[in-house]
Amino acid sequence: EPEVTQTPSHQVTQMGQEVILRCVPISNHLYFYWYRQILGQKVEFLVSFYNNEISEKSEIFDDQFSVERPDGSNFTLKIRSTKLEDSAMYFCASKFVPGQSSYEQYFGPGTRLTVT
Amino acid sequence: DAKTTQPPSMDCAEGRAANLPCNHSTISGNEYVYWYRQIHSQGPQYIIHGLKNNETNEMASLIITEDRKSSTLILPHATLRDTAVYYCIVHLNRDDKIIFGKGTRLHILP
Repeated sequence: EPEVTQTPSHQVTQMGQEVILRCVPISNHLYFYWYRQILGQKVEFLVSFYNNEISEKSEIFDDQFSVERPDGSNFTLKIRSTKLEDSAMYFCASKFVPGQSSYEQYFGPGTRLTVT
Repeated sequence: DAKTTQPPSMDCAEGRAANLPCNHSTISGNEYVYWYRQIHSQGPQYIIHGLKNNETNEMASLIITEDRKSSTLILPHATLRDTAVYYCIVHLNRDDKIIFGKGTRLHILP
């Protein structure tokens, strides 16, 4: 069964450094998402992406964050200058939609980001 | 904020049916009820969704009350692998994002 994959599974970085989290969505999916989950807290929406542009973003997704789909298969989340509070599990998700009767999102296994 | 109310935790004996309730009294006519679960430290996993009618798939059954103000997710024969946080989510199909609440932490007891 197709699945969303994410790399790396764990990323450790120093405060102020740039990180890029990578995701490979399910191949025929058209909508892509990033969510994050700080340890012990709820899963929070960051950004949605469709047709090569951001369709919606949350207040969390400030100028330090950016997303890109550089080659038609990968979907990346970049944090330009990481802060301690960016430490969290980051989940990528995708969904298909056109002609589909249901709109469920499929999530990857996550990347645990630790900022020291 | 999430538009649903769920008990924070529940226990169920292995092999028995787990019935997880959800209140969504402000649901509008074209909003669907979706259920996801999150096994420890993994990504959320879609389980089932419905609009008005009861639904069943290989994972679970979803019972929606006639007034649509509440629903119940049923895992017919719970196993230890069903231990997870279960999220009841209400949204329009065209909505982009999922707004997760705190969910119900289901413990399956051996």
